[in-house]
Amino acid sequence: GESVGLHLPTLSVQEGDNSIINCAYSNSASDYFIWYKQESGKGPQFIIDIRSNMDKRQGQRVTVLLNKTVKHLSLQIAATQPGDSAVYFCAETDGRRALTFGSGTRLQVQP
Amino acid sequence: GAGVSQSPSNKVTEKGKDVELRCDPISGHTALYWYRQSLGQGLEFLIYFQGNSAPDKSGLPSDRFSAERTGGSVSTLTIQRTQQEDSAVYLCASSFEGNQPQHFGDGTRLSIL
Repeated sequence: GESVGLHLPTLSVQEGDNSIINCAYSNSASDYFIWYKQESGKGPQFIIDIRSNMDKRQGQRVTVLLNKTVKHLSLQIAATQPGDSAVYFCAETDGRRALTFGSGTRLQVQP
Repeated sequence: GAGVSQSPSNKVTEKGKDVELRCDPISGHTALYWYRQSLGQGLEFLIYFQGNSAPDKSGLPSDRFSAERTGGSVSTLTIQRTQQEDSAVYLCASSFEGNQPQHFGDGTRLSIL
């Protein structure tokens, strides 16, 4: 069936470095993508979204890149901070159904 | 309130009992979703309410699971005759419409003994 997956289950970076978290999706009809951050004991927190008519969107210290040709999504975090340590999920939908989530990538920021 | 509110935050019950989980969405949000998250896993879709339309129940794992949304606002997820495999965090989310950012509550952690 259709699914969203992540390449790396755990990513460890040094404080101040840039982080890149990758995600592959398989539903070619998906047109809306979201990145969420989840800290322990909390619900997922919206970070940034992108629609299929764009290939890049920037927020505060975060950038999402969308490559529809290879069905790949990435989240870039600039100047990673200890507070960025969490599990990050990508999610996608074609607008007719609820979000499909990947299994998550744990980001560990080393001081 | 400012965000999605879920209650209780924790629930421990014996196998075979029924449980009800409550979700108060963000005011004005027409779409409401329930997900389940097992330990260390991603989110599994359960059910989706959009306005007055019939809910999308395609993610409910068995007929022991049901959900209602009264008055287009508060929703309750009911699990009958709970089993140990029902142990998980149950998350609720809401959005303005179906294709807008979903905002999540902090979930109900359900433990079946």
